[in-house]
Amino acid sequence: DVKVTQSSRYLVKRTGEKVFLECVQDMDHENMFWYRQDPGLGLRLIYFSYDVKMKEKGDIPEGYSVSREKKERFSLILESASTNQTSMYLCASSTPGVSGSNYEQYFGPGTRLTVT
Amino acid sequence: LAKTTQPISMDSYEGQEVNITCSHNNIATNDYITWYQQFPSQGPRFIIQGYKTKVTNEVASLFIPADRKSSTLSLPRVSLSDTAVYYCLVAPSNTGFQKLVFGTGTRLLVSP
Repeated sequence: DVKVTQSSRYLVKRTGEKVFLECVQDMDHENMFWYRQDPGLGLRLIYFSYDVKMKEKGDIPEGYSVSREKKERFSLILESASTNQTSMYLCASSTPGVSGSNYEQYFGPGTRLTVT
Repeated sequence: LAKTTQPISMDSYEGQEVNITCSHNNIATNDYITWYQQFPSQGPRFIIQGYKTKVTNEVASLFIPADRKSSTLSLPRVSLSDTAVYYCLVAPSNTGFQKLVFGTGTRLLVSP
């Protein structure tokens, strides 16, 4: 069965801390994504990656960076956490294939991050 | 990306068929229509995807009219476990994922 795991379900950090959120997928997928989900705003794409060491900005990359050193792992980094980064963070993966299949994304359970 | 409009919420009862319509008036020629389901405290789960006409799988059907300016997700005989948020996503399949936005979705409540 397809599986995307995230390192923590809940995380509490202080303002200014450097925060690492880890995501691992076991499906050998090329594409990986980081979203944040906030009430009333839906899911918004932060960064995505087509392949190892490749990354592209999504809709809201400010304040975040990412790292993809291995195909199965995609890390989201908050360089200096701020209270407006309190949110649910969701990781997803997908594989390019026949037309349309890029949008069959598999999501992890999410990490609820609170920055105080 | 094509902007989508969905109802904010819908109510239904167990055993009924539920149809959730998504409006996407400025859909482009190479856009696909994808629906996801999300339960509380979980990530979204892919339900169905289509380009035109009708697509059916073991979970749902997707109806897309000829002009493709809207689509309807149909859930046959819903149960309490179908209570979730449903997202309509319209985007091209073979270009970048920039500005990929799921929107706020439709909150479906199924009652006994």
